Amino acid sequence: EAQVTQNPRYLITVTGKKLTVTCSQNMNHEYMSWYRQDPGLGLRQIYYSMNVEVTDKGDVPEGYKVSRKEKRNFPLILESPSPNQTSLYFCASFPGQGRAYEQYFGPGTRLTVT
Amino acid sequence: GDSVTQMEGPVTLSEEAFLTINCTYTATGYPSLFWYVQYPGEGLQLLLKATKADDKGSNKGFEATYRKETTSFHLEKGSVQVSDSAVYFCARMNYGGSQGNLIFGKGTKLSVKP
Repeated sequence: EAQVTQNPRYLITVTGKKLTVTCSQNMNHEYMSWYRQDPGLGLRQIYYSMNVEVTDKGDVPEGYKVSRKEKRNFPLILESPSPNQTSLYFCASFPGQGRAYEQYFGPGTRLTVT
Repeated sequence: GDSVTQMEGPVTLSEEAFLTINCTYTATGYPSLFWYVQYPGEGLQLLLKATKADDKGSNKGFEATYRKETTSFHLEKGSVQVSDSAVYFCARMNYGGSQGNLIFGKGTKLSVKP
């Protein structure tokens, strides 16, 4: 089954404690993205990756890091989380350039930073 | 910058009522347009799309027509069901689409009562 998986699904942490949210896709997609979803703001792209070792900033990259060492994995790293990063996070992937509409979304990770 | 504006919710309808969710976009070029649906506790799924003016996207009884003159892509369904309760997002491809960035509206929550 084609899917994007994220872990953990729910996470409560404290300010400043480094955390990683994992994302994996089994469709051999080139592109992967991270979004955050906030009430009244919709989805905003944090980072994206066009292929292994190729990443770039989206609209709201501050406070986040990513890496793409393998094609299937695209972890999101918060080195020093702050309360304003409390949000619902989605990982997504799609086959390649010009096919963003074919994005598969993961189930989401709800992060609370206290 | 480029943006997508959709009607604010929540929208509450009775089963079998007619649904319209308005969506307008900024007209930089002729972007592909999409509607995504997010069921409770899940990630986003592509509902329908249109890639050029006057195209009509349709799926699961939902329709939307790409109107270049009014820069609109309103979502309609003739008879909603309780199972249609979800959050609906209008989106446009970012100019060029090379970044894999879909620009989303803020989402409209639909609740359908039996």
